[in-house]
Amino acid sequence: DVKVTQSSRYLVKRTGEKVFLECVQDMDHENMFWYRQDPGLGLRLIYFSYDVKMKEKGDIPEGYSVSREKKERFSLILESASTNQTSMYLCASSLGTSGSREQYFGPGTRLTVT
Amino acid sequence: DQQVKQNSPSLSVQEGRISILNCDYTNSMFDYFLWYKKYPAEGPTFLISISSIKDKNEDGRFTVFLNKSAKHLSLHIVPSQPGDSAVYFCAARGSTNEKLTFGTGTRLTIIP
Repeated sequence: DVKVTQSSRYLVKRTGEKVFLECVQDMDHENMFWYRQDPGLGLRLIYFSYDVKMKEKGDIPEGYSVSREKKERFSLILESASTNQTSMYLCASSLGTSGSREQYFGPGTRLTVT
Repeated sequence: DQQVKQNSPSLSVQEGRISILNCDYTNSMFDYFLWYKKYPAEGPTFLISISSIKDKNEDGRFTVFLNKSAKHLSLHIVPSQPGDSAVYFCAARGSTNEKLTFGTGTRLTIIP
């Protein structure tokens, strides 16, 4: 069974703080993704990585950066948190070579920025 | 530009009846389509997928139908059970693209 874990289930931060969200997968997947989920907007891709030290912008990268130093770990960084970054953050991973390349998700981190 | 659309934000179905969730897409480059189920406070879990070379894929109580000419897919759940109450997302991607584009979700409620 694929296991994707995220460092925190709930997080409360102040405006302007630097925030780190960590994600670890244990299935040697090449691809890792960060999404945010907001009511009425579905899941929107922030960044993804298809290999160590490789990253690509998703649909809404502004205000975020990422780091992938090891294959199993993908970090999302909010350089200076703002209230409009209050959201549910979801990490996912996928094997690069399977047909439908389904993504496996972690449990999510509910981030509140006050 | 919403490339994957789920026009029904919510749907209520009696237990034992059929649930039909719909999804439309605009990008003709999409080749794979997936359905995910999400419970509150959990990450989405993969349900079923279909590639564009097929028009139907079945897995137990779940069947996905694809109509390429209409750019429409649907998920049928038969019979519906209380545990099926969740938010369902459809997603799509191109054959050379690792990125999934998600719809906005449909909240399914199964009435006992």
